[in-house]
Amino acid sequence: NAGVTQTPKFQVLKTGQSMTLQCAQDMNHEYMSWYRQDPGMGLRLIHYSVGAGITDQGEVPNGYNVSRSTTEDFPLRLLSAAPSQTSVYFCASSFQGRVNTGELFFGEGSRLTVL
Amino acid sequence: GENVEQHPSTLSVQEGDSAVIKCTYSDSASNYFPWYKQELGKGPQLIIDIRSNVGEKKDQRIAVTLNKTAKHFSLHITETQPEDSAVYFCAAVRGDTGRRALTFGSGTRLQVQP
Repeated sequence: NAGVTQTPKFQVLKTGQSMTLQCAQDMNHEYMSWYRQDPGMGLRLIHYSVGAGITDQGEVPNGYNVSRSTTEDFPLRLLSAAPSQTSVYFCASSFQGRVNTGELFFGEGSRLTVL
Repeated sequence: GENVEQHPSTLSVQEGDSAVIKCTYSDSASNYFPWYKQELGKGPQLIIDIRSNVGEKKDQRIAVTLNKTAKHFSLHITETQPEDSAVYFCAAVRGDTGRRALTFGSGTRLQVQP
């Protein structure tokens, strides 16, 4: 099992550019989510999904779009990148029942810099 | 919504000493409290958790305690080793939401000096 795979690991964008961070999991998890990690602020939830075709907003959703067309994939789209979106992004997944007890499986992260 | 505060932000100990990280939460309905360890360049990984009806849980050199009345919980690492050096995150989970689930603390960078 590869677990949770994120691509790319590093990306530099200019303000206003768009891009997609990819996330794939091979554990048949219903729940998938995106977090951003900023110094001194811990991990903040951007968007999440409890199954194919179902997405919802987290704590900091502005500037990001998501879709869930398959169980395995959960891409995060930045439509018009801003310097405030410079961060490390983590994709995390789990079985729905295990999310309720706090168990998430994280990818290795994608470091995004917006100039 | 839930708010989780974590202290200290950085902690340096000598190898073999103990380390304690403390968290407080605000939502009395939170009922699971996981701890995650993040090694350099990696994603966070669950290392231990505690449920609200349990006061203490141990797993080898790691223990977690929970004071539900005071709304605080702690991670204790005994006999620290260099490989314990990492960033540790606490979190609180309100299990009945089924969706937004975890609220994380801001993290503690633990450095174990050999």
